[in-house]
Amino acid sequence: ILNVEQSPQSLHVQEGDSTNFTCSFPSSNFYALHWYRWETAKSPEALFVMTLNGDEKKKGRISATLNTKEGYSYLYIKGSQPEDSATYLCAFNAGNMLTFGGGTRLMVKP
Amino acid sequence: EAQVTQNPRYLITVTGKKLTVTCSQNMNHEYMSWYRQDPGLGLRQIYYSMNVEVTDKGDVPEGYKVSRKEKRNFPLILESPSPNQTSLYFCASSLLGNNQPQHFGDGTRLSIL
Repeated sequence: ILNVEQSPQSLHVQEGDSTNFTCSFPSSNFYALHWYRWETAKSPEALFVMTLNGDEKKKGRISATLNTKEGYSYLYIKGSQPEDSATYLCAFNAGNMLTFGGGTRLMVKP
Repeated sequence: EAQVTQNPRYLITVTGKKLTVTCSQNMNHEYMSWYRQDPGLGLRQIYYSMNVEVTDKGDVPEGYKVSRKEKRNFPLILESPSPNQTSLYFCASSLLGNNQPQHFGDGTRLSIL
């Protein structure tokens, strides 16, 4: 079983703060790195899928970077809003299987 | 509307009583997968399928079976459920290709007494 780690496990920020979290994954046998947003009582929704070293993706206030050589990806949220409160999951694709990290739970206080 | 549909959404049952959780997608996706989510452990892949009649084990396949007789359906079968299979289960689907995101169903909460 592959080791995919996310840090921190949880994060409390004030509305308007910018924040970032980390996903660490094996640096070998890399195919893709996924990021998902998972709100309570809903199902995970895809944010980004990144395949190339140095990839940067952006969707509104959320962006992500990828370093496959050292095995990490960062997710950034600029100017956090209460509606950003969710668990953010990364998943490492080593071929046909996806291995998820444990998630970072973000809580944004108004 | 494009969606992945799981049934039932909730089920309480007893040890040893066979059950099936259905999963259906209307997006003509080749790839389908089952995950379980347990506190502190994140999502773990149970089985996946690359296409009709092609299935393979994920990280935690013990105690589960799947079948893929039609492209749209990918049922999860627990032949003899045990309490350690109490969990939140998600079905997901995607197009083939490493850059394709997973589309998740709404989840099925199973409690096995």
